[in-house]
Amino acid sequence: KAGVTQTPRYLIKTRGQQVTLSCSPISGHRSVSWYQQTPGQGLQFLFEYFSETQRNKGNFPGRFSGRQFSNSRSEMNVSTLELGDSALYLCASSSPLRTGTSGANVLTFGAGSRLTVL
Amino acid sequence: LAKTTQPISMDSYEGQEVNITCSHNNIATNDYITWYQQFPSQGPRFIIQGYKTKVTNEVASLFIPADRKSSTLSLPRVSLSDTAVYYCLVGDSWGYQKVTFGTGTKLQVIP
Repeated sequence: KAGVTQTPRYLIKTRGQQVTLSCSPISGHRSVSWYQQTPGQGLQFLFEYFSETQRNKGNFPGRFSGRQFSNSRSEMNVSTLELGDSALYLCASSSPLRTGTSGANVLTFGAGSRLTVL
Repeated sequence: LAKTTQPISMDSYEGQEVNITCSHNNIATNDYITWYQQFPSQGPRFIIQGYKTKVTNEVASLFIPADRKSSTLSLPRVSLSDTAVYYCLVGDSWGYQKVTFGTGTKLQVIP
């Protein structure tokens, strides 16, 4: 089955602009989470959505927002871009390791969207 | 979410077995231990998950002692393609917790 799809893969913006990134989870996965990865800060959790509701949010300013649609596709938006927002933005959908068993959900990541802010 | 501590980096020669240990002293009863592998400019990829004792799959083994305060990822006979960052995560239900990736362990396999 198809994996997690993120678009666009690469984009360049200038300071002050806004950007919208899209994520299509694996079919049947209802949880989608977003992460920012930079060389200095590593992988940082942005937020997680389940059935169109934000369930958890990381420690990022209000410029970072997201939403999830009824088909589980998700978007994240960053407004008033800053140079420090340059990063790889990763989306992951999650599911149990094995259906019907206990265990932590397993995250399946997309290839990411590489954002460069000039 | 239980905090984890891993070595920042490790080097290994091709063909050797590599063991990466993760400390998670505050692991809760319902927590599972999951390891991910990440190559540059790609998203992390699931390797293995366990709760206690030993788990083995086609790519790795996971050893968890009885007190569960640490775990060891074992990669048999590594190759150059195993050069990557390895993350240890501890938690029960990702949907209800903020997922925190630590710094990970950067494994460099040397020819």
